[in-house]
Amino acid sequence: KAGVTQTPRYLIKTRGQQVTLSCSPISGHRSVSWYQQTPGQGLQFLFEYFSETQRNKGNFPGRFSGRQFSNSRSEMNVSTLELGDSALYLCASSLSLGDTEAFFGQGTRLTVV
Amino acid sequence: QKEVEQNSGPLSVPEGAIASLNCTYSDRGSQSFFWYRQYSGKSPELIMFIYSNGDKEDGRFTAQLNKASQYVSLLIRDSQPSDSATYLCAAAGNKLTFGGGTRVLVKP
Repeated sequence: KAGVTQTPRYLIKTRGQQVTLSCSPISGHRSVSWYQQTPGQGLQFLFEYFSETQRNKGNFPGRFSGRQFSNSRSEMNVSTLELGDSALYLCASSLSLGDTEAFFGQGTRLTVV
Repeated sequence: QKEVEQNSGPLSVPEGAIASLNCTYSDRGSQSFFWYRQYSGKSPELIMFIYSNGDKEDGRFTAQLNKASQYVSLLIRDSQPSDSATYLCAAAGNKLTFGGGTRVLVKP
């Protein structure tokens, strides 16, 4: 059974650019959550999608957005990148909303220069 | 105050000893609790979850939950060098909230 797949694994962008990250959940899982991990702030919740709808949102600016497709794959977008957006972005999938037994992908390491 | 608190460590334990990790949470509405292990440069890996007060054992790991005290712990028995990692505690309400993690170092 394939795990959670995130692409790309590594990304380097310059300030002001925008970036799109992709996450394919475990087959049969319908909930996808996104997290930002930095050494100073730890793992911080960005948002959760279920049935193509955003169900929960963390305390991040509107530059951070996401969406989910009918096959449960999800993308997150960050516009107008700032140096502080450099982080490991993790996607986690779970069977359904409220099922918080979540399984993480390998993450996308974003570096903003 | 953070919603989920953990001592950042490092917690240094000799090989074969018991590692004891603690976590406190502030949201009394949290229903379930999870322990993740994260090796350096890797993503978090779920190792245990607990919903009910008391102890839950899985191999060398035992999770303990005390909802009255808002306290969760993880015991790692017979610690091995391969257990050296950061252990993340998470509390679930309508979303998973993570603590900052405890770094564990098992010395041969």
